[in-house]
Amino acid sequence: QSALTQPPSASGSPGQALTISCTGTSINVGRYDYVSWFQQYPGKTPKLIIYEVTKRPSGVPDRFSGSKSGNTASLTVSGLQAEDEADYYCSSYTGNNNYVFGSGTKVTVL
Amino acid sequence: IQLVQSGAEVKKPGASVKVSCKASGYTFTKSYMQWVRQAPGQGLEWMGIINPDGGGTSYPQKLQGRVTVTMDTSASTVDIELSNLTSDDTAMYYCALGAFDYWGQGTLVTVSS
Repeated sequence: QSALTQPPSASGSPGQALTISCTGTSINVGRYDYVSWFQQYPGKTPKLIIYEVTKRPSGVPDRFSGSKSGNTASLTVSGLQAEDEADYYCSSYTGNNNYVFGSGTKVTVL
Repeated sequence: IQLVQSGAEVKKPGASVKVSCKASGYTFTKSYMQWVRQAPGQGLEWMGIINPDGGGTSYPQKLQGRVTVTMDTSASTVDIELSNLTSDDTAMYYCALGAFDYWGQGTLVTVSS
């Protein structure tokens, strides 16, 4: 199965809002509300920041939010901060205990 | 909750590698375990999942026939074995609990002649 499609890069100034898209198909993102988002710093382990499309694990700042429309999920960072500069990946359940990840987006804080 | 993985491995092309993940801090049979890898400078790739309550597994079509995930309930460990290695399998390998809620520290597997 092909990876979910994310823009390779995104950037914004501190305090701005930034949205990253994650486009799948009707057999993954469009069918299941099991989309997650991960933040990964260089050389570090990925960290779950959004699960089940909109839910935030304990300890994740509320400036991170998730949404979904049709086959596309989105991660929005409101009030961008320097520490948000990282790689971001989405993932989706695809049925039959299978998952697929997005291609990843490098976020730069200008 | 802790997931502690085995150490780095260096393998020759055509060989197999087994990476282990020891879980603690929760009831082992209550949560699926997944494996994810990341080649240098590349994105995340899902490699498979095991249900510790029964041992059922699922793998991506791309890796079918080369990957096997097993578990030892008594030791609270989950292993992944990848066979017929090529240089494309050089990557950091991670175990992850449930819907990727917790991650192991990663195990670097290098395939080189």
